Amino acid sequence: QKEVEQDPGPLSVPEGAIVSLNCTYSNSAFQYFMWYRQYSRKGPELLMYTYSSGNKEDGRFTAQVDKSSKYISLFIRDSQPSDSATYLCAMSYDSWGKLQFGAGTQVVVTP
Amino acid sequence: GAVVSQHPSRVICKSGTSVKIECRSLDFQATTMFWYRQFPKQSLMLMATSNEGSKATYEQGVEKDKFLINHASLTLSTLTVTSAHPEDSSFYICSAGGTSGGAHNEQFFGPGTRLTVL
Repeated sequence: QKEVEQDPGPLSVPEGAIVSLNCTYSNSAFQYFMWYRQYSRKGPELLMYTYSSGNKEDGRFTAQVDKSSKYISLFIRDSQPSDSATYLCAMSYDSWGKLQFGAGTQVVVTP
Repeated sequence: GAVVSQHPSRVICKSGTSVKIECRSLDFQATTMFWYRQFPKQSLMLMATSNEGSKATYEQGVEKDKFLINHASLTLSTLTVTSAHPEDSSFYICSAGGTSGGAHNEQFFGPGTRLTVL
């Protein structure tokens, strides 16, 4: 069993809809949680960085962490075709730790 | 801020040759740099972690004599793939962490280098 599970998709949504992404994990020691966006043939771009449980909002993006369920989510409101990319979740045990990545979910936003 | 560059962006080489990939943090000093490889439609696999001025720490299964990492300064790390073979063809991505005032796990990624070994 992988430490971090993420549905690879693809997830197709119409423009303007809410995109809902999630990851589950098995190790309760994870404390830091991130979401990255990766366009094809490019490096990942950090979108959200959160510590422990709770919500964090940044523009159209909202990240949620539920440590009791070992479940994290990313929501994208008012989705645009430019949001079409692969979204990777990542997590680490401490601020010095290496990241464990999910497989990434491919998102397609259709005009 | 937090811009990381990689060079070259794409390289094609013959089997048996060595290839060097550079990773630079352009607007900050990175105490830690990471090297990943990514196969098509798969996630990033960490190869090694390097800290400036010390030897790199390699992940299990990664040959340190084949993938030479040098972290000569706080803004530059290099990965050399020695005696490359077709199975080494992949997308290699570096990241930098430990930006000024930031956590080491807040990593910023370069654009990646696509290596094709013929």
